[in-house]
Amino acid sequence: QSALTQPASVSGSPGQSITISCTGTSSDVGGYNYVSWYQQHPGKAPKLMIYDVTNRPSGVSNRFSGSKSGNTASLTISGLQAEDEADYYCSSFTSSSTFVFGTGTKVTVL
Amino acid sequence: EVQLVESGGGLVQPGGSLRLSCAVSGFTFSSYWMHWVRQAPGKGLVWVSRINSIGTTTDYADSVKGRFTISRDNAKNTVNLQMNSLRVEDTAVYYCARVVGGSFDNWGQGTLVTVSS
Repeated sequence: QSALTQPASVSGSPGQSITISCTGTSSDVGGYNYVSWYQQHPGKAPKLMIYDVTNRPSGVSNRFSGSKSGNTASLTISGLQAEDEADYYCSSFTSSSTFVFGTGTKVTVL
Repeated sequence: EVQLVESGGGLVQPGGSLRLSCAVSGFTFSSYWMHWVRQAPGKGLVWVSRINSIGTTTDYADSVKGRFTISRDNAKNTVNLQMNSLRVEDTAVYYCARVVGGSFDNWGQGTLVTVSS
């Protein structure tokens, strides 16, 4: 199972909006609504930010939103803040009854 | 409070074995699928394995199939990963995670496995 494709890096200024893409196939992202997004700060465990494509867990800022079109899912961070600087990973369930993560995106707040 | 605590990591030679454990608390362990995810130093997250709530169904990534075995003890609230025939490329931080639906909603802090001669 190949990793989902994400841009290596995305940057933005405080207050701006950025979008991270996550491209898979019809056997994973395109075939299921089990797409989720994770934030990981250096040396820390990942944290769930979006589940089932568009849903935010309790306690996650509404500045984070998710969407999907075809085989590509997206995470948008609006009103970018310094604390958002981290690595972000998407994940999807697959037709092989396994899971696959994205390649990861480093978000830099300028 | 949900807690997952991994243990068992360490240094092992290529071809060796290691058994990781994840002790959980704060939720009804026997109701959830549990997974292992790993992250090589400086690299991304990679899904490794999963086990259903009663331990009757398991799945593995192709890279570990036949070498790793996931198991659980619902009486002790633990999930384990037996790793045999370890390779240098298995070096990583190993996380256990609880899954709800299709998302990993709670993670442990991770345990480092280093495979080196």
